[in-house]
Amino acid sequence: KNQVEQSPQSLIILEGKNCTLQCNYTVSPFSNLRWYKQDTGRGPVSLTIMTFSENTKSNRRYTATLDADTKQSSLHITASQLSDSASYICVVSSLSGGYNKLIFGAGTRLAVHP
Amino acid sequence: ETGVTQSPTHLIKTRGQQVTLRCSSQSGHNTVSWYQQALGQGPQFIFQYYREEENGRGNFPPRFSGLQFPNYSSELNVNALELDDSALYLCASRATANYGYTFGSGTRLTVV
Repeated sequence: KNQVEQSPQSLIILEGKNCTLQCNYTVSPFSNLRWYKQDTGRGPVSLTIMTFSENTKSNRRYTATLDADTKQSSLHITASQLSDSASYICVVSSLSGGYNKLIFGAGTRLAVHP
Repeated sequence: ETGVTQSPTHLIKTRGQQVTLRCSSQSGHNTVSWYQQALGQGPQFIFQYYREEENGRGNFPPRFSGLQFPNYSSELNVNALELDDSALYLCASRATANYGYTFGSGTRLTVV
């Protein structure tokens, strides 16, 4: 069964600190993996996209890693800001049945406190 | 990211009623997907349309149906609403497989 598991479920950190969110997936066939940021009551916004051959990708203070062998990904946030408080969702794309299916994790809810 | 607009933003319906949610995608986005997101959960795939035809469906009953129009807009229809249908409904669209999906801000549906 295609699944995406994220940890931790929730996280509280102080402003300026770093944190790392984890994503494990059992999706086949694998097409790509994206990390999304979702503010409460809003639609998800893409942070990074990683394909099978990419190990690391950075976008400002966000750095995503992908280990396709162990089927694990991480999202590292550097020098956190209050505006980073949101849910971070790992989404794996699988090309199946002629269309690209997105399998979502349940998300990690991050709260950044001053 | 902008360009995908959903309406209404909030909606309250009574159990047993029918509802239509709307999504307006960017020009050229010929693939649109709809998702249901319960509180505290990740989005669940409902179905996907490509060039006005459904080409993928998740584990949702037939009372969830959709339409996609030539002007890149789409609808999600839900009949015989149940309390468990209360959720945030997200629309996402893209131009081709080489591009990622752009999500709308969602419609918050409450069934009472």
